[in-house]
Amino acid sequence: EAGVTQFPSHSVIEKGQTVTLRCDPISGHDNLYWYRRVMGKEIKFLLHFVKESKQDESGMPNNRFLAERTGGTYSTLKVQPAELEDSGVYFCASSQPGERADTQYFGPGTRLTVL
Amino acid sequence: QKEVEQNSGPLSVPEGAIASLNCTYSDRGSQSFFWYRQYSGKSPELIMSIYSNGDKEDGRFTAQLNKASQYVSLLIRDSQPSDSATYLCAVQKVSDYKLSFGAGTTVTVRA
Repeated sequence: EAGVTQFPSHSVIEKGQTVTLRCDPISGHDNLYWYRRVMGKEIKFLLHFVKESKQDESGMPNNRFLAERTGGTYSTLKVQPAELEDSGVYFCASSQPGERADTQYFGPGTRLTVL
Repeated sequence: QKEVEQNSGPLSVPEGAIASLNCTYSDRGSQSFFWYRQYSGKSPELIMSIYSNGDKEDGRFTAQLNKASQYVSLLIRDSQPSDSATYLCAVQKVSDYKLSFGAGTTVTVRA
């Protein structure tokens, strides 16, 4: 079974440009999450989809970030316009909740560098 | 106060020794606890989950949870060079699904 995949693996853009990150969750997983790790800090939650609906977007830094999950399959995270502080590694995770907990499986991440 | 704190490391242990990783959390509403292993440039990989007080063993890994002390640990027995990685402690509250992570502890196993 394929794991969570993310594209691109790396992106280098200039301040003010737009970047779109893509995540393909594990097939059949209704839950999809975006997280971010900026240099020297811990991984931080951005938002949570259940199918195509945003369940929790409390971690989104500001309105320059827009996440979508049309059709409840893959998701995109757009940053427009990008700022220097947006640099970091963006992880996607997916899950299908169990009885005890929601076990999340992570993708390899997209390393974003804003110059 | 950070939600999840881990011993900062790096932690260097000789091959065959026990590596001990510690994690404390601040929210008593936390219910589920996870240890992820991350090799450089790779995805965090789930290695252990624990929900009840006590010990949980899986192969060479043992997770320990003490909710009263808000403490969770991971022991790696018979450490191997392939265990060299960053270990992330993650905590999940009963009220929502998002994970709160510690900063990670980097472990190096010396051959």
